[in-house]
Formats: sequence, structure tokens, C-alpha cells
Amino acid sequence: EVQLVQSRAEVKKPGESLTISCEASGYSLTSYWISWVRQMPGKGLEWMGRIDPSDSYTNYNPSFQGLVTISADKSISTAYLQWSSLKASDTALYYCARSECTTTSCLLDFWGQGTLVTVSS
Amino acid sequence: EIVMTQSPATLSVSPGERATLSCRASQSVSSNLAWYQQKPGHAPRLLIYGASTRATGIPARFSGSGSGTEFTLTISSLQSEDFAVYYCQHYNNWPPVTFGPGTKVDIK
Repeated sequence: EVQLVQSRAEVKKPGESLTISCEASGYSLTSYWISWVRQMPGKGLEWMGRIDPSDSYTNYNPSFQGLVTISADKSISTAYLQWSSLKASDTALYYCARSECTTTSCLLDFWGQGTLVTVSS
Repeated sequence: EIVMTQSPATLSVSPGERATLSCRASQSVSSNLAWYQQKPGHAPRLLIYGASTRATGIPARFSGSGSGTEFTLTISSLQSEDFAVYYCQHYNNWPPVTFGPGTKVDIK
């Protein structure tokens, strides 16, 4: 059974750093990309970027380029989303999703349960 | 960036009735269109991909159609568990994948 288990909810202060994780099981992490998706409170879904865990190649949505870093450790089947300096506007629910990517498409087929990040002074 | 729009924003339907949700892309996405269902407090669940192919385990009452820029999700006979928010999403490789704003299906 495919599962993506995300790290627990976090409460942070503005300016702090944070890394959240997404551990994959039930399939080979290196056979699929992992995407990260943001959902701000009461809002819709925004694709942030993706990583190919086999070689750590990444693509970012231009709206998120430079604001977050996506990485992966294939030895422990885990992908990460990292902030170096959080802002209050980063308060959101963050999902990882297994992504079946080809040269022309990239489908998000299985999703983690989400990690709630709250940034408040 | 391809902009996805959905209509209506809210659809009020009685159990057992048919629901028809629309999605439009600002430029052609071919058949690289997916539909997701999201219930409160839960992650999105893939329903339809390739515009019309049901994902594993999705009941036959869900069907998708369309190609290019116009797409439709039909729920033939609404069950109580179908009341949720539905998002369409294009997944062309680049520009980045984008989601529609969602259609909330609630109980009439």
C-alpha cells in the first residue's frame, strides 16, 4: 500500500527556520517524483515544486523559487521542504504528493496527510 | 502560467441527484487534466486523470470528459459521502501544474 507520512504540525516564530518531512512507503521512492503543495487557510491548492529523488533534480513554481528548498534522502525514502526564515504568510497546510512524471506531464496521484505550519509571534 | 477556472463556485444538490461540475483552462492542456476530491480535514484524493480515466477504487458514478480547454466532472447520483470540494488541475509538465479554485458540492 502506497503511503506518504508527513511530519507533525509545527508552530514557529517569524524568522525561524523549519524543515518538514514526507516519508514514503509501499513503493520505490526513486521511481516517482515528489511534489509539494500549499493550502493556505480556507483557500485552494498551489503547487510549489517537485523533486526527483533518484538524483535530487528539482523544479520550482516561480512563485516559490528562492523562498523554499526541496530536498530528498533516498536512503531513508524521505523528502523535505525547508524554509530558512519563516514569515507569517507561510502559515498553511503543506502536502507532499507522489508524482508520476514523464517528459510531457506530471500527475500527483497519492498524497500525504498534510503538515500544518503556523507562524506567529 | 495556465489559469484554471471552475464553475459554479458552489453547487447545492440533493442526495441521489446528478451533479455536473465545469473546468476551463486558459490554453489547451490536451487531456492532461485531473479531478480531486477534498473533504474537510483530509488530503485531496485523485478521482480522475487523463480527463476521463477513473483512478483506482473510484466508483463508477464519477465520470470525466473533455479535452483541450473545456472539461466536465459528472457525479451521476450523489451519495452522502460525495459532499466535498472538487478541484480540477492541469498537469502539463511546464508551465507549473495549476489547480482551479474548486467547486463546493453541498447538500440542498
